[in-house]
Amino acid sequence: AQSVTQLGSHVSVSEGALVLLRCNYSSSVPPYLFWYVQYPNQGLQLLLKYTTGATLVKGINGFEAEFKKSETSFHLTKPSAHMSDAAEYFCAVSDSGGGNKLTFGTGTQLKVEL
Amino acid sequence: DAGVIQSPRHEVTEMGQEVTLRCKPISGHDYLFWYRQTMMRGLELLIYFNNNVPIDDSGMPEDRFSAKMPNASFSTLKIQPSEPRDSAVYFCASSSRGAGIGYTFGSGTRLTVV
Repeated sequence: AQSVTQLGSHVSVSEGALVLLRCNYSSSVPPYLFWYVQYPNQGLQLLLKYTTGATLVKGINGFEAEFKKSETSFHLTKPSAHMSDAAEYFCAVSDSGGGNKLTFGTGTQLKVEL
Repeated sequence: DAGVIQSPRHEVTEMGQEVTLRCKPISGHDYLFWYRQTMMRGLELLIYFNNNVPIDDSGMPEDRFSAKMPNASFSTLKIQPSEPRDSAVYFCASSSRGAGIGYTFGSGTRLTVV
């Protein structure tokens, strides 16, 4: 079985500061990893994904994440936060062996302050 | 592409009534997923289909819940009879070739059972 743990249900940063949202996963097979963003009253939107290849992946809106197998982590970062980044962020894992289900973490609410 | 389309956006119903939620996936996507989101339980996968066939319904909470996909462009999630604890946001998502591609989510249906 796969699982995802997101550390910190709420993160607050100042505008222009580094954003770091933490995600650790558990998987018995090589994982596929995803970050989704959810704005109020909207569905989830794919930010970025790791399947194979380069471990540093870049996504939309300036976000990136690095797959670290040794640490079983897939943390999301952005060098400089913008007010429009305020949203809820979900990490998710799927198994690469043909599994089709995504298992989501509990989400991290990002607040960006002036 | 109009994306994944869900209807209605909001539904308020009385306990005991039948509720039907609808979803139109992206054309050409062969996987369809139904999720439920609540504050207490986060995102839960209820059921998913591949080529219109239900593959895993282990997340459906009770026999009161049923889902169908009569063709590649339409799916329904039905709750009969509805209960206040069914109040949640229900999301439909579709995908091509499974989770490795990432899901596209609809905007959700906010269900309130009073």
